[in-house]
Amino acid sequence: AQSVTQLGSHVSVSEGALVLLRCNYSSSVPPYLFWYVQYPNQGLQLLLKYTSAATLVKGINGFEAEFKKSETSFHLTKPSAHMSDAAEYFCAVRSGYSTLTFGKGTMLLVSP
Amino acid sequence: SAVISQKPSRDICQRGTSLTIQCQVDSQVTMMFWYRQQPGQSLTLIATANQGSEATYESGFVIDKFPISRPNLTFSTLTVSNMSPEDSSIYLCSVDETGGSYGYTFGSGTRLTVV
Repeated sequence: AQSVTQLGSHVSVSEGALVLLRCNYSSSVPPYLFWYVQYPNQGLQLLLKYTSAATLVKGINGFEAEFKKSETSFHLTKPSAHMSDAAEYFCAVRSGYSTLTFGKGTMLLVSP
Repeated sequence: SAVISQKPSRDICQRGTSLTIQCQVDSQVTMMFWYRQQPGQSLTLIATANQGSEATYESGFVIDKFPISRPNLTFSTLTVSNMSPEDSSIYLCSVDETGGSYGYTFGSGTRLTVV
């Protein structure tokens, strides 16, 4: 069985501030982990993925995430928020060839 | 990565009617999936669409309500049958191009409102 927990349904930051979106997972086998972003009225876009190579993964738009097995975490960060980062972010896990399971999502709000 | 075209992008339907959503992929893919995203919620997998066989439904979803077709490796449809306001959601088609360590690619979704 696999599951994802995203802490915080909403996160608010000021433009230029650090973005930290938290994700913890549960998986009975080594997982593949993903972050997706959903802009208003759009589908999902893959931000980055962890597939058992480097534990620090860099994605698009300046985002990165670090896989920490001991903490079963895969938190998403960006050093400096931009107004265009305002969107909903979903963490997802996949164990082997299972289907993708999503967390409940975190809405990122960026204020000027 | 694959490009997915999903139609219609949005629709407003009367309760009791049915809507068929189409998903066209620009390359052949083995696995296609249908997700539902209810207002303010995360994505829930409805079913896996298998080419040449019946779809595999997740718990809580049944074929009579959500019949799926998969006539070839680039196309699938999802029908939402006998709709009620509770079916108002975004329905998303997705594909798994690599069958393993990579995430899915998603279409832009169909925003369905049932009145």
